[in-house]
Amino acid sequence: AQSVTQLDSHVSVSEGTPVLLRCNYSSSYSPSLFWYVQHPNKGLQLLLKYTSAATLVKGINGFEAEFKKSETSFHLTKPSAHMSDAAEYFCSIEGDSSYKLIFGSGTRLLVRP
Amino acid sequence: DAGVIQSPRHEVTEMGQEVTLRCKPISGHDYLFWYRQTMMRGLELLIYFNNNVPIDDSGMPEDRFSAKMPNASFSTLKIQPSEPRDSAVYFCASSFSGVETQYFGPGTRLLVL
Repeated sequence: AQSVTQLDSHVSVSEGTPVLLRCNYSSSYSPSLFWYVQHPNKGLQLLLKYTSAATLVKGINGFEAEFKKSETSFHLTKPSAHMSDAAEYFCSIEGDSSYKLIFGSGTRLLVRP
Repeated sequence: DAGVIQSPRHEVTEMGQEVTLRCKPISGHDYLFWYRQTMMRGLELLIYFNNNVPIDDSGMPEDRFSAKMPNASFSTLKIQPSEPRDSAVYFCASSFSGVETQYFGPGTRLLVL
């Protein structure tokens, strides 16, 4: 069965420093992978997705993620954090049944001034 | 497009009362998903529809929960009777032809006293 593990429940960075949010997955095949962001009291917004094309995926707001099959990882990065990046981030994987998404437990990103 | 619309945004009710949550998907989308988000369990898929037909309701917690999609532009999630443990944020999402990108509504925050 597919599963997603987000390794950090909270990450705190200073504004202007790099961001790394870690995600590992388990799947019996090469799945589609996604990162979503949720700002307070808002719905989830798609940041980026990997669907078996280029392993380095660029998303919105300067975020990118690299798919590493050997490590079963899909970590999210951004070179320089902005205050507006403070939110909760969810990694998700295409489920074993078509059209279902399985979400990780989320990582809350705090950006310090 | 206005995006996925959910109503009400907030609902406070007493245990035993019936609760109905509403969702209007993005026009032209043929998949609709209902999720529940809690601190303890994270994001859970409850049920999803394709072309107004329920495809997988294995995530629906129990018989007190029911969902309908009478037409392509409207869906409801009903809880009867409601219990305090149903308190959560309920999200509706829609997509075109499945999992590629799901667009989330702002959610309904439900509190059952």
